[in-house]
Amino acid sequence: KQEVTQIPAALSVPEGENLVLNCSFTDSAIYNLQWFRQDPGKGLTSLLLIQSSQREQTSGRLNASLDKSSGRSTLYIAASQPGDSATYLCAVLTGSARQLTFGSGTQLTVLP
Amino acid sequence: GAGVSQSPSNKVTEKGKDVELRCDPISGHTALYWYRQSLGQGLEFLIYFQGNSAPDKSGLPSDRFSAERTGGSVSTLTIQRTQQEDSAVYLCASSLLKGGRPRSYEQYFGPGTRLTVT
Repeated sequence: KQEVTQIPAALSVPEGENLVLNCSFTDSAIYNLQWFRQDPGKGLTSLLLIQSSQREQTSGRLNASLDKSSGRSTLYIAASQPGDSATYLCAVLTGSARQLTFGSGTQLTVLP
Repeated sequence: GAGVSQSPSNKVTEKGKDVELRCDPISGHTALYWYRQSLGQGLEFLIYFQGNSAPDKSGLPSDRFSAERTGGSVSTLTIQRTQQEDSAVYLCASSLLKGGRPRSYEQYFGPGTRLTVT
């Protein structure tokens, strides 16, 4: 059974810092990995999707890497801003139903 | 274009009552998923529909939960005889899911329905 772990569970940084969020998964047989953002009381917003054959994806100040063989992914956020404060969820797509298995998330607070 | 929509956004019900939650996927998306997000369990997969195939119900927590998808589009998740542990946010997602198109597996989520069982 696929298990996804995210470290740290919570992170508080001053504005302007670069930061890294970590995600690990137990079964490397994945189709893709997605990073999502969730604001309080809201749904999920997809940030980046990395196909299993890819090593990284970039969007603006965000960069996500994938090392499928070791079961790890990182989300790098450059020059953090207070508007980046949210919970960040990592999820891997696996199984015959192509369902997502989620980590428990990292709650990020960027202090002005 | 329009994204995934869900209704109602909030639902408060008494223990023992039945509830129905609705999901309208993105037009043209063949796959539809229901997930549940609760404090103790995080985000977990419930059920998956793909085209006209039989749904994958492997994530449903009990036989009080059922779902249907009419005409390959709108889906309804029904919870019978609700219990307090059913309180959670129920999220629906859809995806294009066409072979040979890697990005077609990307799932797009609705805003969710917050269910509170009193």
